[in-house]
Amino acid sequence: AQSVTQLGSHVSVSEGALVLLRCNYSSSVPPYLFWYVQYPNQGLQLLLKYTTGATLVKGINGFEAEFKKSETSFHLTKPSAHMSDAAEYFCAVGGDTGRRALTFGSGTRLQVQP
Amino acid sequence: SAVISQKPSRDICQRGTSLTIQCQVDSQVTMMFWYRQQPGQSLTLIATANQGSEATYESGFVIDKFPISRPNLTFSTLTVSNMSPEDSSIYLCSVDRTGLINYGYTFGSGTRLTVV
Repeated sequence: AQSVTQLGSHVSVSEGALVLLRCNYSSSVPPYLFWYVQYPNQGLQLLLKYTTGATLVKGINGFEAEFKKSETSFHLTKPSAHMSDAAEYFCAVGGDTGRRALTFGSGTRLQVQP
Repeated sequence: SAVISQKPSRDICQRGTSLTIQCQVDSQVTMMFWYRQQPGQSLTLIATANQGSEATYESGFVIDKFPISRPNLTFSTLTVSNMSPEDSSIYLCSVDRTGLINYGYTFGSGTRLTVV
């Protein structure tokens, strides 16, 4: 079975500050890991993904995440927050051949203060 | 680009009635996934729809309440039956596009259901 834990349901940062959203996963197989963003009243947009290869993954809008197998983590970072980054962020795990669907974390709401 | 067309985008329904949600994918896929997102919550998998076989439901979801059809490799429907206010949620379909560069699982735009 696969599971995802997102630490912090709400994160608030100042504009220009570092964004760090935490995600830890559990998987009995090599995981595929994803970060999605959901703006208010909108659908899910893929920020980035890790499947194999380079453990530091760069995504859209200046976000990146690093797969750390030893820590079972896939934290999302952005060096400098913009007001437009305010949204709900979901970490998800997949790759289990017995259950092909994604398993989502509970989500983290990012607020960006001016 | 991979596209999923989902409709309706929203609906307000009376309790006790049923609503059928449709998802059309722009290319053939083996599996389609149906999720529910309750207000302020994350996504929960309802079922996996395979073409040519019965859908596989997750714990807590049953076929009588959420019947699914998968008549071909590009289309699926989810019906929310005998609705109650607790069914008010966003329902999303999804397909796996992880094999494509810059793609993950692609989601439909969602159906926002309100039951009154």
